[in-house]
Parts: sequence; structure tokens; C-alpha cells
Amino acid sequence: GENVEQHPSTLSVQEGDSAVIKCTYSDSASNYFPWYKQELGKRPQLIIDIRSNVGEKKDQRIAVTLNKTAKHFSLHITETQPEDSAVYFCAASQRTNAGKSTFGDGTTLTVKP
Amino acid sequence: EAQVTQNPRYLITVTGKKLTVTCSQNMNHEYMSWYRQDPGLGLRQIYYSMNVEVTDKGDVPEGYKVSRKEKRNFPLILESPSPNQTSLYFCASSFLPGTDYGYTFGSGTRLTVV
Repeated sequence: GENVEQHPSTLSVQEGDSAVIKCTYSDSASNYFPWYKQELGKRPQLIIDIRSNVGEKKDQRIAVTLNKTAKHFSLHITETQPEDSAVYFCAASQRTNAGKSTFGDGTTLTVKP
Repeated sequence: EAQVTQNPRYLITVTGKKLTVTCSQNMNHEYMSWYRQDPGLGLRQIYYSMNVEVTDKGDVPEGYKVSRKEKRNFPLILESPSPNQTSLYFCASSFLPGTDYGYTFGSGTRLTVV
């Protein structure tokens, strides 16, 4: 089955700096890659996603890139703010088994004011 | 308001006592899923359902049962809970999670088995 590895497990940045979280996946059939943000004590919430026919997607301060050949994708947050502090999860799923969605172990991002 | 509702939010039970965690969504989503979250292990999928009466195992199905008799409901059943099932559980639903939509999560159920 699919295996998703996420790095780093913790990340600390100064407010205003950029943060990058990387994920690799094992199954070349995976074609949908969402990212979720989970604030302390809250539920995970989808913040951005990318499909395999797209190399990059941007939404204000966040962007996601996908390298299908290398089977990795990354989340980029620019101009970080304290409210970006949370646990971020990447995930991978595929069209042929749409309900199955495998998550990475998460990255705890701390943005220091 | 579009949402996924789980109950209860907190549950403490004893080993071996059957329990059910309910999950309901009001978005007419085809897909529903259960995840457990443990420190350092991320979100691990227990079971998922593609539609009424259609379910499949996720990565950690042992010790759990599910049913999907109605489109909006997807209860998680622990017939004989054990302490290693102490965890934070999330129900989620989606229109089409494989290609176009992510999952919408419920608020979570924190289960403690003593």
C-alpha cells in the first residue's frame, strides 16, 4: 500500500520567514495530494491541494509543488505569522481507490514572534 | 451549516465494554472515513465507505467495525475495547476524496479505555 513520509517532524521559524515541509510517497498511482492544518485541540482542515496533472498551486501565502518523477511534494508558507503555528499533515490518494487516503506523520510548525 | 458531527466528544470506558461512536454528515457526501490520531503517528485510516453498504478496510482496522446503512451516518463500533485503542478518533466525509476533494473532519472523539 501507499506510504507517505513527511519531514521535518518539527520546524521553528521566526515570524516573517518562510517555512517548507516536504513529503514523499511510494505509490506512483497516487494522483491527489491535499494538505491539512490542525491547530491545537482542533480538527484537521484542508488548506490546499494539488492534483497530479499540476506542478504547482498557490493560494495567497501558501503554495504546494509536486514532482511526480521523484514522487515528492512540498508545502511552502511565506511571510509566516504566529497564527500559522499548527501541525501540518500531507496526504496522498488515488482515483481508483478514492476513499483510501494515507497521511504523513505531521509537522509541528512554530512561528516565533 | 455544512458539518460532520461526532458523538460523544469524550468517552472513558472499561476494557471489553462494547461502545459506539456516532458520526453524521449533512453534506450528502458519498465518502466517509474514520481515522485515529496518536502522538507521532499522524492520522491512520481505520475504515472508509464509498456509499451505503459499501465499506473497506484502511490501514488499522483490527478491533473495529463500521456500518453504512444510511448515507449520512457512519458509526464506529468497538465490540471489545482494549487500552491500546485509547486514542483521538476523527470521522471525515468527502464528495470525492481520491481526485478532487479532501476530507472534511468532525471535531473528534477522545476515547480512553482503562
